[in-house]
Amino acid sequence: EDQVTQSPEALRLQEGESSSLNCSYTVSGLRGLFWYRQDPGKGPEFLFTLYSAGEEKEKERLKATLTKKESFLHITAPKPEDSATYLCAVQAQDNDMRFGAGTRLTVKP
Amino acid sequence: EAQVTQNPRYLITVTGKKLTVTCSQNMNHEYMSWYRQDPGLGLRQIYYSMNVEVTDKGDVPEGYKVSRKEKRNFPLILESPSPNQTSLYFCASSLAANQPQHFGDGTRLSIL
Repeated sequence: EDQVTQSPEALRLQEGESSSLNCSYTVSGLRGLFWYRQDPGKGPEFLFTLYSAGEEKEKERLKATLTKKESFLHITAPKPEDSATYLCAVQAQDNDMRFGAGTRLTVKP
Repeated sequence: EAQVTQNPRYLITVTGKKLTVTCSQNMNHEYMSWYRQDPGLGLRQIYYSMNVEVTDKGDVPEGYKVSRKEKRNFPLILESPSPNQTSLYFCASSLAANQPQHFGDGTRLSIL
């Protein structure tokens, strides 16, 4: 069965303290892996799409990487405004979209 | 402005009373989808539509119906709502199935 697991569930960082969020997946034929950011009371906001192992994408303090079994979202020198829930989603060949439960990130000043 | 619009944003209703949550997008997107979000479970896909007149079940379709008569609209219908359908619902759209999705702001449904 296709599964997407994110870890940790929650992460508290000091401003400037770099870290990584993990998304491990098992799917039949990956069509795409997506990272989203969700703020309280809002819909998810798109960050990155990765389509094949070895691919990397970068935007400001965030960098997403992909292997055949997992993806990492690296956060470099985070700021309080990076506090949010980060969601990973995987689309398989059957076109179903499956989300992980998310990592709730808090960055303290 | 490119957006996905859901209505209503909040609804409290009673068991068995049919309701419809509307979803409209102005980006000429082919793919549209409905999700429910519950604490600890994340977003789960209810139904999706690859194009007009084409819909498919997601992981949790029981108790829901959808239709896609026009490209821009994808309403979610609860024929006989039950309390276990109390949840936060999101509609999303994208250019194609494996492209990034744009999400609406959500509809919070409470079924008593």
